[in-house]
Amino acid sequence: DAGVTQSPTHLIKTRGQHVTLRCSPISGHKSVSWYQQVLGQGPQFIFQYYEKEERGRGNFPDRFSARQFPNYSSELNVNALLLGDSALYLCASSSLQGEVEKLFFGSGTQLSVL
Amino acid sequence: GQNIDQPTEMTATEGAIVQINCTYQTSGFNGLFWYQQHAGEAPTFLSYNVLDGLEEKGRFSSFLSRSKGYSYLLLKELQMKDSASYLCVSTDSNYQLIWGAGTKLIIKP
Repeated sequence: DAGVTQSPTHLIKTRGQHVTLRCSPISGHKSVSWYQQVLGQGPQFIFQYYEKEERGRGNFPDRFSARQFPNYSSELNVNALLLGDSALYLCASSSLQGEVEKLFFGSGTQLSVL
Repeated sequence: GQNIDQPTEMTATEGAIVQINCTYQTSGFNGLFWYQQHAGEAPTFLSYNVLDGLEEKGRFSSFLSRSKGYSYLLLKELQMKDSASYLCVSTDSNYQLIWGAGTKLIIKP
């Protein structure tokens, strides 16, 4: 079975540009979460989608947006890129068992903003 | 506020035992996770504790004390491949995940 897949694996952008990151969850998983991880820190929660509805949003500016498609894949969009947006962007899928969910992470997209 | 505290870095010797401690303060509590993250890779699930006590899973064990807001991850018979960051993750009353910054574990031969 395929795990969580993310594309692209690496990306270089310049300030002011926008970027779209893509994620395909594990087959059967209906929840997708996005995290930003800066080197040396733990992941910071950005968004969670479940059944195409936004289920949670972290403390990120409106430049960050996301959506989930009918096949449960997801896109994370970041507009007006800043140098500080350089980070590893992780996508995680999960199957909700009650309220507790075990996350399965993709390998991430390493975004560099120059 | 919500907070997770764990040491930034620890060093241990191959074949030895190491204990990584974590204290947490969250508004409500619905369990605690430990994840392992090798450099440049995604985090992978290690354990989940919701009740007090020790959960053993092979060379790795995780302990929880809800009254003390404390957990530890115990790694036995350390191998070089155990060199990684170990992330302590608590859950609040809304089941939102609160991530620690991680403990970088360095294993020396």
